[in-house]
Amino acid sequence: AQSVTQPDIHITVSEGASLELRCNYSYGATPYLFWYVQSPGQGLQLLLKYFSGDTLVQGIKGFEAEFKRSQSSFNLRKPSVHWSDAAEYFCAVPGGFGNEKLTFGTGTRLTIIP
Amino acid sequence: DTAVSQTPKYLVTQMGNDKSIKCEQNLGHDTMYWYKQDSKKFLKIMFSYNNKELIINETVPNRFSPKSPDKAHLNLHINSLELGDSAVYFCASSQDKITEAFFGQGTRLTVV
Repeated sequence: AQSVTQPDIHITVSEGASLELRCNYSYGATPYLFWYVQSPGQGLQLLLKYFSGDTLVQGIKGFEAEFKRSQSSFNLRKPSVHWSDAAEYFCAVPGGFGNEKLTFGTGTRLTIIP
Repeated sequence: DTAVSQTPKYLVTQMGNDKSIKCEQNLGHDTMYWYKQDSKKFLKIMFSYNNKELIINETVPNRFSPKSPDKAHLNLHINSLELGDSAVYFCASSQDKITEAFFGQGTRLTVV
């Protein structure tokens, strides 16, 4: 079954520092991959998605992610974080026989320190 | 205009009660979902409907019954609530299976 793993449960970075959140996938064919963000008390918002083509994907809020087939990874990056980026981040992959659902990773909680 | 709206946002109820959570989407999407997020933030699909037809029922107790009166609505009814049902329930919709899913704000259910 398709799955994603987020190895980091919690990451703390200083405001203005760069950020990389890790996501590894297990998928039979070329995967579709998503990053979602959940701000405290909010629903999930799509940051970016990869379907095919250019392996470097740009998203909203200054985020980008790079698909690396050789490493089975789809890591999320941001060159300079802002305090408002503090949130829970989820990597996801379609699952089920007909890709009829999203299977989420366990999430990475991002804390920003001044 | 809120794309996916759920009500109520908070629900506190006693064990054994029956409760409903409502969800509406105004995006014209064909597919709607219910996800459960537990206390460790783990998100798991519960149900998926496509054009009012149930396409996923992910080993959820039959105390949980989704109902889709039309394409824009997917409600969740829960009978005989248990302490373990306490969680945040998210409704979502998407145009088709693998495009972006839009999520509601969530309903925090607390069973006491």
